[in-house]
This record gives sequence, C-alpha cells and structure tokens, in this order.
Amino acid sequence: NAGVTQTPKFQVLKTGQSMTLQCAQDMNHEYMSWYRQDPGMGLRLIHYSVGAGITDQGEVPNGYNVSRSTTEDFPLRLLSAAPSQTSVYFCASSYSRDQNIQYFGAGTRLSVL
Amino acid sequence: SQQGEEDPQALSIQEGENATMNCSYKTSINNLQWYRQNSGRGLVHLILIRSNEREKHSGRLRVTLDTSKKSSSLLITASRAADTASYFCATELNTGNQFYFGTGTSLTVIP
Repeated sequence: NAGVTQTPKFQVLKTGQSMTLQCAQDMNHEYMSWYRQDPGMGLRLIHYSVGAGITDQGEVPNGYNVSRSTTEDFPLRLLSAAPSQTSVYFCASSYSRDQNIQYFGAGTRLSVL
Repeated sequence: SQQGEEDPQALSIQEGENATMNCSYKTSINNLQWYRQNSGRGLVHLILIRSNEREKHSGRLRVTLDTSKKSSSLLITASRAADTASYFCATELNTGNQFYFGTGTSLTVIP
C-alpha cells in the first residue's frame, strides 16, 4: 500500500492563479480531510468528506473547493490563489468514525506570490 | 476556535529523561489523539484515548485524559534522540467527523 499520496510536493503560484492539489489513498478509507499548517497555528481543518459524494466545510473553508467523486481521491481546488493561502497542506484519511486514526500524506508546500 | 493548545510550546531535555507535554481543549470530545511530526514530514498517529478512558499506555508512551478539566497529558519515558519532533494533540468532537489540532510542542532530546 502506498498510503496517502499528495502531489505536487512543492508549488509556487502567482496571485489569482488557480490550481488543484491532488490527494489519493489506497486503503479504502471512508473519511478524508484537508488541513493547512501555518507556523504557530497547528493544523486547521479546511474541508472533509465522509464518503464519495459527501463533503463538508471545516474550520477555514473560504477560498477552497473540494469534491469526492471516488473513494480514493479527494482533490483540493484553489480558485484564485491569494498570498494568505501560502502554507503547507496536508491530506489525511481514516477508515471509519469508530477507528478515526488519521493517516497523513507527506504534504504540499505552497507559496503564493 | 475549537483548537486545543499544547504546553509547553518547546521542550529541551537530555536523553534518558522523561518528557511531559500537556493539551487543553474547549468542548466535549469523542476521543483525543496524539500525533508526532518530524521536520518536513506528515503527521504520524501515536495513541488514541476515548472520552470514557482516563489513562492509556503504549510502549514508552503514557497518556492521561481528564474530561472534567478538558485536558490531556503525554508522557514519553526514557527519551531518545530519535524522539526529537513536534507533538500535537487532536480532539474529535462528539458531533463526529471534525478534528481539531493543537498548536504543538516542539521536543528536542539532546544526546
């Protein structure tokens, strides 16, 4: 098993550009989520999904869109990048609510100029 | 914010000593988890304690939970240089499906 795979590892964008951060898991996990990690702020939940076709907002959803068309994939879209979105983004997945141990990807480091 | 807070923010100890870090949170939880993050890497799950448990052990790790004080502690015994990392607590609300991470404790173990 590859676990949780995030691509790309690094990305530089200009303000106003759009892009999609990819996340895929091969563990047949129902629950997937996106976090951003900023210095001194810990991880903050952006969006999450409890299964294919079901998504919901987390703590900091503004400026981000998600969709879950398959169990395996959970892409995060930045529609119009802003410097405030410069951060490290982590995708995580877990099997079920009762065993909600999250498995994290290696992260995507995003800089918005 | 629902975010938890860890204390201390940074901790430096000698190899062989014990390391204790604390986590406080704000609302009722389903469970509390501790994660470890090595520099530049993703988080790795260490241990989970449910809201009806008070103490749990896993190897050199000991976790306590006091729901009346909304706090938890992580004890790492006989620390090793390889334990150098950041440690985060994460609370799952009892409404389910949302996790809130603390701000983390940076642990340095000096050989």
